[in-house]
Amino acid sequence: QVHLQESGPGLVKPSETLSLTCTVSGSSISNDNHYWGWIRQPPGKDLEWIGSFYYGGSTDYNPSLKSRVSISVDTSKNHFSLRLSSVTAEDTAVYFCASDRSISWFYYWGQGYLVTVSS
Amino acid sequence: ESVLTQSPGTLSASPGDRATLSCRASQSVSNTYLAWYQQKPGQAPRLLIYGASHRASGIPDRFSGSGSGTEFTLTISRLEPEDFAVYYCQQYVSSVFTFGPGTKVDIK
Repeated sequence: QVHLQESGPGLVKPSETLSLTCTVSGSSISNDNHYWGWIRQPPGKDLEWIGSFYYGGSTDYNPSLKSRVSISVDTSKNHFSLRLSSVTAEDTAVYFCASDRSISWFYYWGQGYLVTVSS
Repeated sequence: ESVLTQSPGTLSASPGDRATLSCRASQSVSNTYLAWYQQKPGQAPRLLIYGASHRASGIPDRFSGSGSGTEFTLTISRLEPEDFAVYYCQQYVSSVFTFGPGTKVDIK
């Protein structure tokens, strides 16, 4: 059973960079055939995919966020990270990490982590 | 960019009712790349249906998915109290995931 846990600062100032980590247990990012991703949900609003990757393969990003987003992996810690630069209040959201063996949906989800952008 | 729309926005129903939720894509979607999720307040989405019609592990058989091309449907045959939630469809097209705006199923 794959378990995902998001962590990071819950408060980020406008114009700064949001950084979150998703720690994975029950699966190895580098050895298991899973796709890994980030999705966010502003309070009371819809789900928005941020980006996904397959270890050893490509990383895809939401075109609307691509210029500000990067996803990286630390296999020694079995976690992957999200960086979103130049944040504004519109980036306030619950951020989820998720995964699946399929490229096209997500079965495993973290519990979500609220990040607020405010001075 | 392919956009998903869902209808109705809100469905008011009673336990025991049959619920039919619609998801329409602006461009044709391969069945392989269409999924449905349930989300309750304060929780992560839960995968219900993948590949348009396949129930995910642990999902009761009162949930079923159908459709093809640009029209997809999630049917809940008999609503249980725990089924009142928001339901999202999701597509994967040209390496991009898109979620629909959701249908809220609430108690009449």
